[in-house]
Amino acid sequence: KAGVTQTPRYLIKTRGQQVTLSCSPISGHRSVSWYQQTPGQGLQFLFEYFSETQRNKGNFPGRFSGRQFSNSRSEMNVSTLELGDSALYLCASSLQGTSGSYNEQFFGPGTRLTVL
Amino acid sequence: DQQVKQNSPSLSVQEGRISILNCDYTNSMFDYFLWYKKYPAEGPTFLISISSIKDKNEDGRFTVFLNKSAKHLSLHIVPSQPGDSAVYFCAASARRSSGSARQLTFGSGTQLTVLP
Repeated sequence: KAGVTQTPRYLIKTRGQQVTLSCSPISGHRSVSWYQQTPGQGLQFLFEYFSETQRNKGNFPGRFSGRQFSNSRSEMNVSTLELGDSALYLCASSLQGTSGSYNEQFFGPGTRLTVL
Repeated sequence: DQQVKQNSPSLSVQEGRISILNCDYTNSMFDYFLWYKKYPAEGPTFLISISSIKDKNEDGRFTVFLNKSAKHLSLHIVPSQPGDSAVYFCAASARRSSGSARQLTFGSGTQLTVLP
């Protein structure tokens, strides 16, 4: 089974621009979560999508948005980029339904975004 | 407010010795805990987990201990191998209201270096 894929792997943008990152989950996984990783901050949860609906949201400004398509692929968009948005953006997929039990999250390799 | 804390950003251990990575949490609603391992240029991979109904879980060279009264968990690696050198993230999850999915709250990570 193919793992979680993220494109592009590396991206360089300038302040004020916008960016769209893509994530393809493991086949059969309907939940996709996005995280931002910066040095010293660990992984900060951005949001989670399940069946094309945003189910959970972290404490990030509205410049960060996402969506999920019917095939479970997800995109994340950041508008009006700031220098502090430079980070590794990780996507994770899981079977996670609504039963309340935990289902393992499988991570992609991430997209390294550099804002100049 | 960091609900999951890894106070040691780095740890160096000699090959063959024990590595102990620590993690503290503040949210008493967390009932499931995980350790992830991350190599450079790769996404985090699941290592081991423990439910709050247990105080120990073992998988080969890896053992996780949970002390609920102290809100503390630790990962023991015995014996440590150079290939274990990576960043280790502690994560916690809480049951949410009906219909909502669990999410993971991560610590900031500890860089483990195993010296040959």
